[in-house]
Amino acid sequence: GAVVSQHPSRVICKSGTSVKIECRSLDFQATTMFWYRQFPKQSLMLMATSNEGSKATYEQGVEKDKFLINHASLTLSTLTVTSAHPEDSSFYICSARGGLGLSPTDTQYFGPGTRLTVL
Amino acid sequence: DAKTTQPTSMDCAEGRAANLPCNHSTISGNEYVYWYRQIHSQGPQYIIHGLKNNETNEMASLIITEDRKSSTLILPHATLRDTAVYYCIVQETSGSRLTFGEGTQLTVNP
Repeated sequence: GAVVSQHPSRVICKSGTSVKIECRSLDFQATTMFWYRQFPKQSLMLMATSNEGSKATYEQGVEKDKFLINHASLTLSTLTVTSAHPEDSSFYICSARGGLGLSPTDTQYFGPGTRLTVL
Repeated sequence: DAKTTQPTSMDCAEGRAANLPCNHSTISGNEYVYWYRQIHSQGPQYIIHGLKNNETNEMASLIITEDRKSSTLILPHATLRDTAVYYCIVQETSGSRLTFGEGTQLTVNP
């Protein structure tokens, strides 16, 4: 299957600072990328959907000014957690989907995740 | 999105087949069934998907009932590395959102 990478894999930061997480599709062009968040012992929750070159669509309850998403190219999307607080500590996972996005069978491939700890 | 129901947990002996069931009784005619798995502290891994017909790849087989209201993921020879949470997801037709439920925790025992 296709490969999606994330960087960093783990980050610890102080409260009030901003953290940027990168998501890259390594061997395909990702027309759409997704960002998920997963708290301990819970399932994945979709935060936002981003299409290359356009603004991200955020899920209800996700603050777009706090979680800045940029999808500037077909292989890179970034999530910036601004003014991070301890409650933002979580496992952040991106996924990428290739194709034209016209078919529901376009498969999403996931990155390995980024563990964020805010002190 | 059509809702799916999976058992919370299952156990399987190493080397034996693991059969993971999923109910999706409200699935609509053009919705696909996707299976992903998540090994602890990793991102989900795509396994297989199907619409009507049974599907097989190098990882698993997917058996979908004729009425499409349920499906079974089969790992033919489970290994310890197959221990993971397995998610059955029905893909909505108008987009590509994946809505993850709680999944099934499969534990493969030696």
